Amino acid sequence: QKEVEQNSGPLSVPEGAIASLNCTYSDRGSQSFFWYRQYSGKSPELIMFIYSNGDKEDGRFTAQLNKASQYVSLLIRDSQPSDSATYLCAVNLQGANNLFFGTGTRLTVIP
Amino acid sequence: NAGVTQTPKFQVLKTGQSMTLQCAQDMNHNSMYWYRQDPGMGLRLIYYSASEGTTDKGEVPNGYNVSRLNKREFSLRLESAAPSQTSVYFCASSETGAFSNQPQHFGDGTRLSIL
Repeated sequence: QKEVEQNSGPLSVPEGAIASLNCTYSDRGSQSFFWYRQYSGKSPELIMFIYSNGDKEDGRFTAQLNKASQYVSLLIRDSQPSDSATYLCAVNLQGANNLFFGTGTRLTVIP
Repeated sequence: NAGVTQTPKFQVLKTGQSMTLQCAQDMNHNSMYWYRQDPGMGLRLIYYSASEGTTDKGEVPNGYNVSRLNKREFSLRLESAAPSQTSVYFCASSETGAFSNQPQHFGDGTRLSIL
């Protein structure tokens, strides 16, 4: 099992809908979780991050953590065509000198 | 505010050649990282520097060396390039403590092709 896993997609949603992206992680002791957006040919751009103590909402984006099932979700409300990108999940595994990235989920928002 | 700056942006090398990828950050961050990104593999850590004067291996260090020149600069060197090192290389930095709860900020990347 990989440390961090994401469905590669593509995930297609109509404009205005809610896009839901999931990421599972292997280490129950993980404490920090990051979501990055990466446009084709560009570098990863931090969207938001949460710690093991709770969820976070920032504008149209919400990150939620389910510790019992070991997954973290990113919800994008009122999806826009400009949200079309690959979304990378990264997890700081407990005790590991590494930040493990998933392979990303490609999201397409259809106008 | 430039953030994390990488040079060059593109490079083509022949097998066996050497080169150094440069990275500089102006955010006064303590920790810096080098990743490579390959299709279907995600981002993989090559080396990192938790603070000025220290460097450590990441997940895929073979064939690479690094130098933390000062707090701002962290370079990655390929001594004898191999086709398997064809990739997109990203430098990143974070405020404090490698792999602490601080997020990492990425440069624009170097697209390296080795023939």
